[in-house]
Amino acid sequence: GAVVSQHPSRVICKSGTSVKIECRSLDFQATTMFWYRQFPKQSLMLMATSNEGSKATYEQGVEKDKFLINHASLTLSTLTVTSAHPEDSSFYICSAGLAGVPSEQYFGPGTRLTVT
Amino acid sequence: AQSVTQPDIHITVSEGASLELRCNYSYGATPYLFWYVQSPGQGLQLLLKYFSGDTLVQGIKGFEAEFKRSQSSFNLRKPSVHWSDAAEYFCAAKNNNDMRFGAGTRLTVKP
Repeated sequence: GAVVSQHPSRVICKSGTSVKIECRSLDFQATTMFWYRQFPKQSLMLMATSNEGSKATYEQGVEKDKFLINHASLTLSTLTVTSAHPEDSSFYICSAGLAGVPSEQYFGPGTRLTVT
Repeated sequence: AQSVTQPDIHITVSEGASLELRCNYSYGATPYLFWYVQSPGQGLQLLLKYFSGDTLVQGIKGFEAEFKRSQSSFNLRKPSVHWSDAAEYFCAAKNNNDMRFGAGTRLTVKP
């Protein structure tokens, strides 16, 4: 149980285009979802926290107009990287919190974004 | 500010030797504590977690961790390392809805 999926697992896009990454909790309801970014050989950095039906809370230094997060349902959150640039190339990992159990957090397998 | 520190960026051990990876946290109250492992290009795999109770926590793959409140530490240990344990290890702490990660420790296993 408690499986989180991400789609796509890898994506290559041209500079200036937008790309959407989906994060789904497959067998549980996630009231809160988290988006992390990981540069090569570095740790995970929290980008934003989203609660179902409300606006995401972004960490300091993360551009909310560039990284659009939508959490429209209890099982789906999306991250859209708008007007992508090569410096946006990274490994994006989502995580979902189990409703009513704040201590638990489940991670997706990650999405490798390469912007050319 | 809340933070998680992994003092060792890279550790090399011989196969069969014991392992200890260090983790310290700085939080107002004791957070939930986690250890994850990540192989290259892969996602995170949870090794173990501590919420409360027994301070020695057993995890998967023969790993264990000990919570020491007095030292604000949650060190990961394994008595005998296998070559397949070579990976990146992350300590994490969570308080409310905020999970933070340490910088990670890269483990190399020598034959």
